[in-house]
Amino acid sequence: KQEVTQIPAALSVPEGENLVLNCSFTDSAIYNLQWFRQDPGKGLTSLLLIQSSQREQTSGRLNASLDKSSGRSTLYIAASQPGDSATYLCAVTYNTNAGKSTFGDGTTLTVKP
Amino acid sequence: NAGVTQTPKFRILKIGQSMTLQCTQDMNHNYMYWYRQDPGMGLKLIYYSVGAGITDKGEVPNGYNVSRSTTEDFPLRLELAAPSQTSVYFCASSYSRGRETQYFGPGTRLLVL
Repeated sequence: KQEVTQIPAALSVPEGENLVLNCSFTDSAIYNLQWFRQDPGKGLTSLLLIQSSQREQTSGRLNASLDKSSGRSTLYIAASQPGDSATYLCAVTYNTNAGKSTFGDGTTLTVKP
Repeated sequence: NAGVTQTPKFRILKIGQSMTLQCTQDMNHNYMYWYRQDPGMGLKLIYYSVGAGITDKGEVPNGYNVSRSTTEDFPLRLELAAPSQTSVYFCASSYSRGRETQYFGPGTRLLVL
């Protein structure tokens, strides 16, 4: 079964700290991997999309890496701010799934002032 | 562009009732998706569509039906609502299979009593 796992389920850090969120997947034959942000009671907002041929993507203070051989992706957030507090979800599109994405359960991040 | 819109925002159903969740996108996207998200969990795919007139089952299709008569609209039908269908439902769209990001609607919160 093709699964996506995110550990830890929750993370609390002081403002200004650099942090890493983890995503692991069970099959290296992926089409792409995407990181989303979800605020309470809201929909999902795409942060970064990494194609299978890429190793990383950057947007502002965010950097996402992809290592297909080990089945891992990390989302690095630099100089965290209270406004970064949200749930971060990882979604993997596997080659065999005709465009369907498999989501992890998310990591809920709290950045304390 | 309004993006992806969903109606209603919130609904309470009695067991055995039926309803249709509406989803519309104005980005001329070919792919559209319906997900459900249970508390503290990631998203699970219910149904998806790769274009008008073409739909297919996702991971958890039982108890739901869809249709896609136009590019813009992708309604989700719940027949004989059950408490297990209490969830938040998200509609999403993308231009193609995985090369571009998925855009999400704000969600419909459904409570079945």
